[in-house]
This record gives sequence, C-alpha cells and structure tokens, in this order.
Amino acid sequence: NAGVMQNPRHLVRRRGQEARLRCSPVKGHSHVYWYRQLPEEGLKFMVYLQKENIIDESGMPKERFSAEFPKEGPSILRIQQVVRGDSAAYFCASSPRDTGGLRNQPQHFGDGTRLSIL
Amino acid sequence: AQTVTQSQPEMSVQEAETVTLSCTYDTSESDYYLFWYKQPPSRQMILVIRQEAYKQQNATENRFSVNFQKAAKSFSLKISDSQLGDAAMYFCAYTSPYGGSQGNLIFGKGTKLSVKP
Repeated sequence: NAGVMQNPRHLVRRRGQEARLRCSPVKGHSHVYWYRQLPEEGLKFMVYLQKENIIDESGMPKERFSAEFPKEGPSILRIQQVVRGDSAAYFCASSPRDTGGLRNQPQHFGDGTRLSIL
Repeated sequence: AQTVTQSQPEMSVQEAETVTLSCTYDTSESDYYLFWYKQPPSRQMILVIRQEAYKQQNATENRFSVNFQKAAKSFSLKISDSQLGDAAMYFCAYTSPYGGSQGNLIFGKGTKLSVKP
C-alpha cells in the first residue's frame, strides 16, 4: 500500500538549467497538491491539480514554473531556468477527491525533493 | 484569508515530561480540519494528529493529544512522556473543503522542539 512517492529525493542543478520533479499519488487518488518549503519556513501551497486539469495555481510563480498531471503517469513540477532562490524542498500530497470529509483531505505527504541550485 | 500562527519558535522539554505547543488560526469557515505535523531532521512531513472542527471531543493519538478550543480558534498540541525521538519541528496546519483554500493546507511557521535527556 504505497503512499505518495516523489523522485528524485535530491536534485542538483546549475543556474539556468531545468528541474523536473515527479510525484506519484496514492493509488486511486486523482488530486495532487504541490508545496514548497524554503529554509527555516513552513510549507507554502503552490498548485492543485486534478487529472489533466489545473484547479488552482494561485501559489505558483507566474514565470518559469509549470505543473501537469497527465491522464497516465506522475504529476510533474517543472522549473525552467532555475535560480538560486529556487533552492528548497518541494513536497507533494494527494487526495481521492475534492469533497468534504476528513479522509478526503490531502494530508499525507511524499518524502519531498530537495532541490539545490549551484 | 485564513492564517495559522505558531507563537513559539522554539520549545524545550525534559525527557519524560509534558510539553504543550501552541497554535492559533483565523477563519470565517465553520467546517474545517486541523493537523499537527512533525518534521524531523530527515525533513519528512509526518502526520501526528488531526481534528475535525465539528467534533467537540479532542483528538488523541497515544502520547499526543490536542486541546481544541473552537471559539478561541486555538489548537494546541500536548506531548506526554516526551522521548528523545520527539525532537523535531512541529507544524500546525489548517484546511477547509470550502472557500478559496479548498483542501489546500495552510501552515504555521513551526515550533522547534528540543528534548533534553
């Protein structure tokens, strides 16, 4: 019974390169949430996706960042032309649906991807 | 907009003693959920305990319990019989299935808990 799986665990990129972070939700979950944690801070919401749809991207920077959750395969968070300020831990959570009820809340996280920019 | 405030950046407790971590939140919703997460040095986010706002009974998970005061919008975490492995950052989080946040977790800034042997 696998939980949320994220890879890679650690990713090192040079300034100007692209970073791709992957998140496989809990089996059967169709909603994915991405969060970013800067050093010494709590997690901040970035984007909420359903299969093939972006529901809420209000927390995602307008430039260089994009996210997708295709019909098949994991959700991808893509950061183009990375800068030092993108260094952070990126976490993913999933939920079975977006209705009420405690069990439908995206409360279980993957282990995160630690992105370091040289 | 909903906010979560943790007013204690750092706390310390003696092994086997009890410690309480504070959390307050602001919301206009009546139905919502509250969580406490533990983040050890490995940086994983581990769910410790959760509370549904419409349930008056305080949630309990082994040595962890909460004091949920809905009218005061307070959600404190009590750790009893503290163990060395409890040392970590603790984050309080809020979400509601309604309104703008719709399932998005809103986190406090965290409290760093140290456990002295």
